[in-house]
Amino acid sequence: EVQLVESGGGLVQPGGSLKLSCAASGFTFSGSAMHWVRQASGKGLEWVGRIRSKANSYATAYAASVKGRFTISRDDSKNTAYLQMNSLKTEDTAVYYCTRRRMVTYYMDVWGKGTTVTVSS
Amino acid sequence: QSALTQPASVSGSPGQSITISCTGTSSDVGGYNYVSWYQQHPGKAPKLMIYDVSNRPSGVSNRFSGSKSGNTASLTISGLQAEDEADYYCSSYTSSSTDVVFGGGTKLTVL
Repeated sequence: EVQLVESGGGLVQPGGSLKLSCAASGFTFSGSAMHWVRQASGKGLEWVGRIRSKANSYATAYAASVKGRFTISRDDSKNTAYLQMNSLKTEDTAVYYCTRRRMVTYYMDVWGKGTTVTVSS
Repeated sequence: QSALTQPASVSGSPGQSITISCTGTSSDVGGYNYVSWYQQHPGKAPKLMIYDVSNRPSGVSNRFSGSKSGNTASLTISGLQAEDEADYYCSSYTSSSTDVVFGGGTKLTVL
């Protein structure tokens, strides 16, 4: 079964850091780009960023709202993607989803169930 | 403010058809046939319903269809059913550095 499972969410104070993980199974992880998408309570989906495959030089891109604070990485040997979040702000409070985009496609066909990040003092 | 514009809400009665629009620019919707649509029920993860403007993934009902004209893409749901009540999001590839843009979402109510 193709599956993505996020973990690492929790409560953190403003200015703090948190690292989310996304464990993949059931497909060739190394060949897929991995994206992170977040959703604040009652709000819409917001693309956070992505990391491409080794074949595409592990290229990363980020939304303007998180650029310079968030870093996406991956460990293909562990079939896991990561989202390192630093200098967290209250507006980063959201459910964070990881999602797959296969090579040469432009849609996200597999989504995890999400992990909740709350930034509050 | 979302990069793609969707109506905040639409509604329809069971059996009817509804259409949700998604308006972008020539840098995203209008420039590429890479529009996708996602359905999201409360408390659940988004689910891919349409990709590359008009293609349905395996397992998605043929009551769902997509199209595009110029800078506007559309999702049509025919034969509305109660289970279709959900939020719907469009997304497009974009030539900007961000690579992906979403619409603000549309809440579908089945009356």
